[in-house]
This record gives sequence, C-alpha cells and structure tokens, in this order.
Amino acid sequence: DTGVSQNPRHKITKRGQNVTFRCDPISEHNRLYWYRQTLGQGPEFLTYFQNEAQLEKSRLLSDRFSAERPKGSFSTLEIQRTEQGDSAMYLCASSTTGGSSPLHFGNGTRLTVT
Amino acid sequence: ILNVEQSPQSLHVQEGDSTNFTCSFPSSNFYALHWYRWETAKSPEALFVMTLNGDEKKKGRISATLNTKEGYSYLYIKGSQPEDSATYLCAFDLSNDYKLSFGAGTTVTVRA
Repeated sequence: DTGVSQNPRHKITKRGQNVTFRCDPISEHNRLYWYRQTLGQGPEFLTYFQNEAQLEKSRLLSDRFSAERPKGSFSTLEIQRTEQGDSAMYLCASSTTGGSSPLHFGNGTRLTVT
Repeated sequence: ILNVEQSPQSLHVQEGDSTNFTCSFPSSNFYALHWYRWETAKSPEALFVMTLNGDEKKKGRISATLNTKEGYSYLYIKGSQPEDSATYLCAFDLSNDYKLSFGAGTTVTVRA
C-alpha cells in the first residue's frame, strides 16, 4: 500500500489557461473521489468514480471541469479556461466499496491562478 | 448542501492539557460520521468512522463520541502533545456513497 499519489503538488497558471491534475489511488480501491478545499472551508465534494464509471458530479462544478478515470485506475481532473476563483487545493481520495471504510487522501494539488 | 458545523474554529492548548471540540450535523437520515486529522503539508488522515448512536472510539490519546439523535460528535485529546497540532475535520455521510459533507475544521495548536 503506497498510498494515494497526486501530481503535481503545486501548479501556478495564468487565467485562461488549461490545467490537468493526476491522481493514482490505492490499487485495490474501486472508488475514487475529487474534493476541492478553499481557505477557511472544509473539503467540498466535486465528483466520484466507481471503477471507470463517473457516478456523480457536483452541481457546483461548471462545464469547464472534467474528470476521467480510464480503465478504473488513475484519474485526471482538467480545468479549462481557468479563473482566479479556481484557486484552491484539489484533493483526491480513494476507498473500497461498502461498509464504513474511511477515505484515503492524497497530499493534494495546490492550484494558484494569477 | 448539508450543514456541518465545527466549533471552535481554532484553539490553543498547553502541552499536557486535555481538550475537546464539537461537530454538529443534521440529525435525520444519518449513515456515518467521519473524523480526519490534517497536518500541515500532509494528507488528511482518517481517525474514526462512527455509525451507531452512542458509539465511542479511541485511538491512543484521542477519542470520540457520537449522538445521532441530537446530531453531534465530540473529539477529545487527552494530555495534548505538540504532534497533536493539526486541523481536525469531521464529515457527515448521508447515505454510504462517501459524498462526505465536511465541516470547516477545528485547528488545534499545542504550545510546549
């Protein structure tokens, strides 16, 4: 168990540019989640996958955000035409299905849009 | 959006003292309540997942209680140490799909 890995750790981009983040979950976990955390707030749910299927996407997520999980392994989160309001910590987590298992989080990707 | 509130927002504790703080959540349609510890520059780490009213869980010097009827959970730290300094997040799970609703956290600073 090498834990959940996220890349990059930090990303600084100019407004209007596209960015893509990657998450490698714990290999035997079939659920994968993306959360976003802004200063002074708790993590906010964005979307989640069970295997390769994206089961739900938050209504708070605009059309500029898209996530994929090809083959049910790693996941990518892309933000198109970034805005300053997208600046946040993007957290990925994975878990097994069912029961009351906890989420296993990565270290996050800190995005700064200038 | 489910309203999960944590109080206080921050607290300072002298090393060796004990402390506790609160998480409140909607008391209807409960499935589970999670606690996580998030240290600076690290990933959030799971402490407890609690599902039953009256649950009490313990991990070393940290323990938690759960009251689902009135919608609150307490986290206790006994004999605080500097390594306990972190933000403690609670999260409410409505239906076992892990779309957790997080509180804003309680940031604990332990002074040596």
